[in-house]
Amino acid sequence: SAVISQKPSRDICQRGTSLTIQCQVDSQVTMMFWYRQQPGQSLTLIATANQGSEATYESGFVIDKFPISRPNLTFSTLTVSNMSPEDSSIYLCSFPTVNTEAFFGQGTRLTVV
Amino acid sequence: QKEVEQNSGPLSVPEGAIASLNCTYSDRGSQSFFWYRQYSGKSPELIMFIYSNGDKEDGRFTAQLNKASQYVSLLIRDSQPSDSATYLCAVFSGGGADGLTFGKGTHLIIQP
Repeated sequence: SAVISQKPSRDICQRGTSLTIQCQVDSQVTMMFWYRQQPGQSLTLIATANQGSEATYESGFVIDKFPISRPNLTFSTLTVSNMSPEDSSIYLCSFPTVNTEAFFGQGTRLTVV
Repeated sequence: QKEVEQNSGPLSVPEGAIASLNCTYSDRGSQSFFWYRQYSGKSPELIMFIYSNGDKEDGRFTAQLNKASQYVSLLIRDSQPSDSATYLCAVFSGGGADGLTFGKGTHLIIQP
């Protein structure tokens, strides 16, 4: 099965700054998903990233806050912009397989202070 | 609004017993159903997936699906302390580019 490498694994950031999270897959995948998992909560889909088109954002998430790039079929980035303590979460990238199950990256644990 | 409901627990089960985890979903058109296990501080890992009504067994794990009742469950036989984790139920509803909708998870504790 394919492998996702996500980095950074964790970071502590100052409020008002931005952090870019990278996901690299070792094979080509059409769709990639970005999820957020707030403390004690389940995963919430932020957006779907397709190569060559704008990301599709879920309700409650906007491009200005979470810009996404998908320059090719093996790579994607999510930026958390103008961070506040409420953005402290685990951010996960994933891609679906033919069975539609999701394989996840290792996650990025973000703490905003 | 697609919803997936789980009892948050904690669910405490003695070692060697059967742990039963339950999940209901709101979208009747949902197609695929998944159980993920998540250890604290780690990413979710897939345990089972099921598409058709009935039971699906894989080792100590059995997934059960009842689409009429919009209900999916996970049974863990011969529970081990290493099974202690949060179990997330996830549903795929199709429609092209949709990701999975996750429940909030059930925290399972296996008591030695």
